[in-house]
Amino acid sequence: EDKVVQSPLSLVVHEGDTVTLNCSYEVTNFRSLLWYKQEKKAPTFLFMLTSSGIEKKSGRLSSILDKKELSSILNITATQTGDSAIYLCAGGVVSSGTYKYIFGTGTRLKVLA
Amino acid sequence: ETGVTQTPRHLVMGMTNKKSLKCEQHLGHNAMYWYKQSAKKPLELMFVYNFKEQTENNSVPSRFSPECPNSSHLFLHLHTLQPEDSALYLCASSQEAGVNQPQHFGDGTRLSIL
Repeated sequence: EDKVVQSPLSLVVHEGDTVTLNCSYEVTNFRSLLWYKQEKKAPTFLFMLTSSGIEKKSGRLSSILDKKELSSILNITATQTGDSAIYLCAGGVVSSGTYKYIFGTGTRLKVLA
Repeated sequence: ETGVTQTPRHLVMGMTNKKSLKCEQHLGHNAMYWYKQSAKKPLELMFVYNFKEQTENNSVPSRFSPECPNSSHLFLHLHTLQPEDSALYLCASSQEAGVNQPQHFGDGTRLSIL
């Protein structure tokens, strides 16, 4: 059964700290790995990773995929209270000719002022 | 404004009621999705529509009935639901299903079954 596991489940840090969120996947016909940020409403897209070892960056956020280790990390530097959210990881797979995403349970990040 | 609008935002219904959730996307996409998000569980894919055709039904009970009249609108018709169906129902869209691209989500409908 396809599975995506995120760790830690929750994390509390202070403003200015750097955090690393982990995502590991056990899926067949892997095609991509996505990160989303979910505050109280819609998950918003952060990154899509398809190639191993190539870092993607957006401001203080960065992410990288390791296909050998079947994992990805999401780094957030100089955290701010606005970074408080649930961070979702999803593995993109092809199953029976259909492309779909398998989501993890998320990491709940709380950044204290 | 996410480009994907869901109504209502909240819905409370009894187990014998019939109601519908609505999703509309303004992004010109051709694929639309329904997901269920329960507490402490991963997002679960329910249905996929690509160019108005249903391409995925992820073993969803028949008390959930989707409808996609055009590429911009998606409905989820609900009847005789169970308390365990209480969850956040998220709609998403993407340019096409079956290709490697991100999905854009709506804010969801928070459903509570009494």
